[in-house]
Amino acid sequence: AQTVTQSQPEMSVQEAETVTLSCTYDTSESDYYLFWYKQPPSRQMILVIRQEAYKQQNATENRFSVNFQKAAKSFSLKISDSQLGDAAMYFCAYSGTSGTYKYIFGTGTRLKVLA
Amino acid sequence: DTGVSQNPRHKITKRGQNVTFRCDPISEHNRLYWYRQTLGQGPEFLTYFQNEAQLEKSRLLSDRFSAERPKGSFSTLEIQRTEQGDSAMYLCASSEDRGRIYEQFFGPGTRLTVL
Repeated sequence: AQTVTQSQPEMSVQEAETVTLSCTYDTSESDYYLFWYKQPPSRQMILVIRQEAYKQQNATENRFSVNFQKAAKSFSLKISDSQLGDAAMYFCAYSGTSGTYKYIFGTGTRLKVLA
Repeated sequence: DTGVSQNPRHKITKRGQNVTFRCDPISEHNRLYWYRQTLGQGPEFLTYFQNEAQLEKSRLLSDRFSAERPKGSFSTLEIQRTEQGDSAMYLCASSEDRGRIYEQFFGPGTRLTVL
């Protein structure tokens, strides 16, 4: 069975600085998807960034980028130029490439942005 | 674009009562998921529908839980004889078959409190 681990329950970053959130996963599959979702307080989860396992190039979306290390089964999220609006819970999620495509989530990292 | 909607947003009930939640997915999405999120945890998969067919149920979904998706549109999740352990946020998500990446769009959730 696949598992996703986020070992940082909480992280803090100064406004305009850079922060990296960690995620490791375990799977025996060779093709899969990885996602980072953001859950602001009392608001719905929104997709931040996604990565296909067969692509070696790391995904980037504006200030958000990932460091995908397939052999190490690591998928970290880097947020550059942090903004107050980045404060939220961040969840790492795994999905296979067949069947239901259900997500397996980590336990989340709460990011605080300090003014 | 109305996104995924869920009703009610909050539900307080007494132990032993039945409750029903509704999810309205994005209209062209044929895949629908229910997840449960307890405090300090990431969402956990409960069940999956493709159109009107319920194709997978998690072992978390005891026989007190039932879900439907008539005509492949909205979905309902019913919990019979609620227990205090059922207190959680119940999230609905939908996605469409679009290329290789099946991004899920989440609703705001229904927060259930069982007294």
